[in-house]
Amino acid sequence: AQSVTQLDSQVPVFEEAPVELRCNYSSSVSVYLFWYVQYPNQGLQLLLKYLSGSTLVKGINGFEAEFNKSQTSFHLRKPSVHISDTAEYFCAVSDTDNNDMRFGAGTRLTVKP
Amino acid sequence: GAGVSQSPRYKVAKRGQDVALRCDPISGHVSLFWYQQALGQGPEFLTYFQNEAQLDKSGLPSDRFFAERPEGSVSTLKIQRTQQEDSAVYLCASSPNRVSFSYEQYFGPGTRLTVT
Repeated sequence: AQSVTQLDSQVPVFEEAPVELRCNYSSSVSVYLFWYVQYPNQGLQLLLKYLSGSTLVKGINGFEAEFNKSQTSFHLRKPSVHISDTAEYFCAVSDTDNNDMRFGAGTRLTVKP
Repeated sequence: GAGVSQSPRYKVAKRGQDVALRCDPISGHVSLFWYQQALGQGPEFLTYFQNEAQLDKSGLPSDRFFAERPEGSVSTLKIQRTQQEDSAVYLCASSPNRVSFSYEQYFGPGTRLTVT
């Protein structure tokens, strides 16, 4: 079965600075990869997903992620963060052969003024 | 349009009580998923439905957990004889397509269950 590791539980950053949230996965077969964001008291919202094709995926709110198969990583990046980006971010992986999605433990991004 | 809604948003139950959590998916969505999110953790898969058929319930932690979607729309997650370890946020998600995680899931706000 696949699994996900989010290497940082908390990431504090100043407004307008760049940020990278790290995600590594393990799977013996092809995968789909996702990043979700969860704002306080709200449901999870899809930021972006990798299904196939170009390894650089662009999502909403200026976020992007790069799929690196050799390093089994799918790190999330944003060149300049805003206060409103403060939230919990979850990386998720699903095996393309089954219907079992696994989430990481989450990274809390805190953007300071 | 309306998103996925869940009720109640908060539930406090005494240990041993039965609870029922409701999920209203987006109208017309075929697939429906339930997840359990413990404090400080990511969501963990519980079960999913395609229309009214429960195709996978392998994530349900015990036989005290039961889910149904009798008419292929609203779903209810029932927990019998609640235990403290059941305390978590229960998330519901729906998807417009056949059951496949290549398609986006739309999540509800969750129900926070606290068992005292």
